[in-house]
Amino acid sequence: ETGVTQSPTHLIKTRGQQVTLRCSSQSGHNTVSWYQQALGQGPQFIFQYYREEENGRGNFPPRFSGLQFPNYSSELNVNALELDDSALYLCASSSFDRVGELFFGEGSRLTVL
Amino acid sequence: AQSVTQPDIHITVSEGASLELRCNYSYGATPYLFWYVQSPGQGLQLLLKYFSGDTLVQGIKGFEAEFKRSQSSFNLRKPSVHWSDAAEYFCAVEPKTSYDKVIFGPGTSLSVIP
Repeated sequence: ETGVTQSPTHLIKTRGQQVTLRCSSQSGHNTVSWYQQALGQGPQFIFQYYREEENGRGNFPPRFSGLQFPNYSSELNVNALELDDSALYLCASSSFDRVGELFFGEGSRLTVL
Repeated sequence: AQSVTQPDIHITVSEGASLELRCNYSYGATPYLFWYVQSPGQGLQLLLKYFSGDTLVQGIKGFEAEFKRSQSSFNLRKPSVHWSDAAEYFCAVEPKTSYDKVIFGPGTSLSVIP
């Protein structure tokens, strides 16, 4: 148990729709990172939020956006869904001064039809 | 190009046998190094990390890893594998720059034969 919770756990959308995924970070952590994990692949870094500001972004288009709230929880929004967006979306919380020590939730499985 | 590679897509070992999972990285400066494990239906969990100093690091669940600068490698080992070790293992790096975050390798799937 990492204390990181994600919702929903599973969801199905159709192409062109929009989705919002939510993450509650572990107590005491001020940083949230989002990853996309396609089937059979390693997690790909989407972006990171620190103190409500985006603090680094991977190679994902602008239709992937996020928010971090004052309680350090976070949302990942994806607009104009494409079939290739089908994946497990992982949220990881961390303390900004603890390099690389990520605590992951169990993920949100998104299927785009 | 900067990268993290795990040459073995899938490995099968017998319970009680030793294990070594390979990881190589390609970065200008040695990054921070990590191994994570993803068990079925669970989130990723940090097994161990290397920042500097002693090149043999100990982690949780009886795992250890050895950093070899000359080979740009950070291989994960376990002397005796248990059936519960069956999982996906990811090598990860965090480059020592201000703007790069934790980057994961493609993973190695471990199966354990009873």
